[in-house]
Amino acid sequence: AQSVTQLDSQVPVFEEAPVELRCNYSSSVSVYLFWYVQYPNQGLQLLLKYLSGSTLVKGINGFEAEFNKSQTSFHLRKPSVHISDTAEYFCAVSDQGYADGLTFGKGTHLIIQP
Amino acid sequence: NAGVTQTPKFQVLKTGQSMTLQCAQDMNHNSMYWYRQDPGMGLRLIYYSASEGTTDKGEVPNGYNVSRLNKREFSLRLESAAPSQTSVYFCASSDRQVFYGYTFGSGTRLTVV
Repeated sequence: AQSVTQLDSQVPVFEEAPVELRCNYSSSVSVYLFWYVQYPNQGLQLLLKYLSGSTLVKGINGFEAEFNKSQTSFHLRKPSVHISDTAEYFCAVSDQGYADGLTFGKGTHLIIQP
Repeated sequence: NAGVTQTPKFQVLKTGQSMTLQCAQDMNHNSMYWYRQDPGMGLRLIYYSASEGTTDKGEVPNGYNVSRLNKREFSLRLESAAPSQTSVYFCASSDRQVFYGYTFGSGTRLTVV
């Protein structure tokens, strides 16, 4: 079974500053990794995913994440945030060989301060 | 528009009432899922269907039943609703044959009073 730990429940950042949202996972098998964003009162939108290949993954809205197998991490970064990035961010993992769904972290609330 | 459609979007139930949440996808995906989202808990898997004709329990199945009606549709039933089932419910689908990820519906906000 997998598990996902998002180390920060809230991250306050000033506008135009860089941000990193941390995600660590545990699994006994090879995995796929995802970051989703949820804006207030909306559904989940895929930011980016790691399936294979390059460990640096670029997503929408200027976000990127790096898969680090040795540290079992998949941290999300953005070099300069905007007010519109205020949202809840979820890291998720899926076993490669099974169709038994995603395991989510508890989420990180990104708060952008003007 | 292609994707995952959930109905209804909002529902208020009294304790003990029953209801069925509907989910349909038009992407010809084999696998479908039901999640619930509660504050501070992330999303937790209730039930899933890896392929048409199969269903399996997820992390939090108690109090729920599911039906994979056909390849497109996967419903979630609450037989006797309880206040602890107040949550936002999301349906999702994926295809392991051509795996690009998981597509989520827009959610159903359920309140049990």
